[in-house]
Amino acid sequence: EVHLVESGGGLVQPGGSLRLSCAASGFTVSSNYMSWVRQAPGKGLEWVSIIYSGGSTFYADSVKGRFTISRDNSKNTLYLQMNSLRAEDTAVYYCARVSELHSFDYWGQGTLVTVSS
Amino acid sequence: QSVLTQPPSVSGAPGQRVTISCTGSSSNIGAGYDIHWYQQLPGTAPKLLIYGNNNRPSGVPDRFSGSKSGTSASLAITGLQAEDEADYYCQSYDSSLSGVVFGGGTKLTV
Repeated sequence: EVHLVESGGGLVQPGGSLRLSCAASGFTVSSNYMSWVRQAPGKGLEWVSIIYSGGSTFYADSVKGRFTISRDNSKNTLYLQMNSLRAEDTAVYYCARVSELHSFDYWGQGTLVTVSS
Repeated sequence: QSVLTQPPSVSGAPGQRVTISCTGSSSNIGAGYDIHWYQQLPGTAPKLLIYGNNNRPSGVPDRFSGSKSGTSASLAITGLQAEDEADYYCQSYDSSLSGVVFGGGTKLTV
């Protein structure tokens, strides 16, 4: 059975950094497309980043240059390194497995990131 | 402003049929990229409802169906039930952005 469990969220000051983790089970992260999606309080879903099985990475313009998606094959875990955090980055961050059609077929429960002084 | 446009809200009585529209452009839906739909119940993670325009994952009732034409797509829900009350999102891929795009979401009230 497929499971995704995010961790690493919390309260951070503007300009600070945080690394989110997404531990996967039931499938191999490196063989799949994986993505991060966020949802600000009371708002809709916003795509953040994707890493393809071949290793290519892409980012939303809102986080480009500040966030980095990566994976650790030995730990079967996806990461999101977030630097230069801003108040507008406050959101629940979800990791998801992405199909070749670019549908998000499995989601984690999410982890809350709050950027505030 | 979302790349994919959805109505903010729709409503219907139990047993009725409702549709939720999703309008895109020539760089996403119109370019032939598939549309996918998600249901998000309050306080929970989104759940894949329709993939590849009109396919249901295992366990999704056949009351839910999707369609796509030109630069638009629609989600139809028949035989509305109270448990269908949720937020619904469409999603696709955009070639000009080289990334995934979501609609702004539609709140369904039953």
